[in-house]
Amino acid sequence: AQSVTQLGSHVSVSEGALVLLRCNYSSSVPPYLFWYVQYPNQGLQLLLKYTSAATLVKGINGFEAEFKKSETSFHLTKPSAHMSDAAEYFCAVRGVFQGAQKLVFGQGTRLTINP
Amino acid sequence: DAGVIQSPRHEVTEMGQEVTLRCKPISGHDYLFWYRQTMMRGLELLIYFNNNVPIDDSGMPEDRFSAKMPNASFSTLKIQPSEPRDSAVYFCASSPAGYNEQFFGPGTRLTVL
Repeated sequence: AQSVTQLGSHVSVSEGALVLLRCNYSSSVPPYLFWYVQYPNQGLQLLLKYTSAATLVKGINGFEAEFKKSETSFHLTKPSAHMSDAAEYFCAVRGVFQGAQKLVFGQGTRLTINP
Repeated sequence: DAGVIQSPRHEVTEMGQEVTLRCKPISGHDYLFWYRQTMMRGLELLIYFNNNVPIDDSGMPEDRFSAKMPNASFSTLKIQPSEPRDSAVYFCASSPAGYNEQFFGPGTRLTVL
């Protein structure tokens, strides 16, 4: 079955510091992977997605993620954190076969930015 | 486009009452998903539709939950009777055919007293 594991339910960084949110996946087929962000009292918004093209994917708001097959990872990074990045971040992997339209989400990582 | 529209945004009801949540997907999207989000269980897929037909309802927790999609522009999620443990944020999302990206609505925060 498809699954993702997000390491760390809470991450705290200082404004201007590197942001690193970790995601490892398990998939029986070449995965499609996603990062979503959820701001308080809002729905989820797509940050970026990997669909078997370039392994380094650039998304919105300065975020990027690198697909590493050997490590089954898809970690999210941003070189310099901004106060507006404070939110919850979800990694997701697509389903397989007849369930390919489904997304399987991780438990989420809450990012706090310290001034 | 206005995006996925959900109503109401907040709902407070008493145990035993019927609750109906509504969703209007993005025009032209063939897939519609209902999710529930709680602190304890995270984001759970309840059911999804393709061209108004339910495809997978394995996430619907109990018979008290039902979902319909009478046409391409409208879906409902009904809970009857409601219980305090149903308190959660319920999201609707839609997706075009052939893509995996899902577009989420703002959610309905349900509180059952």
